[in-house]
Amino acid sequence: QKEVEQNSGPLSVPEGAIASLNCTYSDRGSQSFFWYRQYSGKSPELIMSIYSNGDKEDGRFTAQLNKASQYVSLLIRDSQPSDSATYLCAVRGSNYQLIWGAGTKLIIKP
Amino acid sequence: GAGVSQTPSNKVTEKGKYVELRCDPISGHTALYWYRQSLGQGPEFLIYFQGTGAADDSGLPNDRFFAVRPEGSVSTLKIQRTERGDSAVYLCASSLGPSSYEQYFGPGTRLTVT
Repeated sequence: QKEVEQNSGPLSVPEGAIASLNCTYSDRGSQSFFWYRQYSGKSPELIMSIYSNGDKEDGRFTAQLNKASQYVSLLIRDSQPSDSATYLCAVRGSNYQLIWGAGTKLIIKP
Repeated sequence: GAGVSQTPSNKVTEKGKYVELRCDPISGHTALYWYRQSLGQGPEFLIYFQGTGAADDSGLPNDRFFAVRPEGSVSTLKIQRTERGDSAVYLCASSLGPSSYEQYFGPGTRLTVT
């Protein structure tokens, strides 16, 4: 079992709709979780971090964490074509490194 | 302010050659991380520096890979006797310190071994 799992997609969402991205992790002791956005040919860009159970909102983005079920999700409201990218879920490991999923490719259709 | 910078942006080398990849972290960031990313995959951890010392090098794939950070700022990742399987994008990230969890990435170096 991979440590961090994501559906590879692609996930296709109409412009203006809500995009929902999910991630599960295997280490029950994990405490810190991150969502990065990666455009093709570019490096990962941090968009959200979450450390406590529940929701965390930042603009059009909401991160949700459920430690009991070991999943993290990212909601993008009012999706725009510029949101089309690969979204990477990362979990902080015991030695400070990030452990990554393979990413979900999101396509926003105008 | 300036972000993480990496040079070169692209490097093409022949199998068996030696390469050096450079990372200049965000000013004031004491923690520095190297990852590599293959197409269609998430980044893979290589090594973590806190200050000048390598705090965790468990991700280095073998002894052909080595990294230094002599003055606690710029870091160099060194790969000896390159192999075609080393081809990937090498990413560098920095954070304020180990207790600052958020890591910020440079643009990466695309290494191609022919």
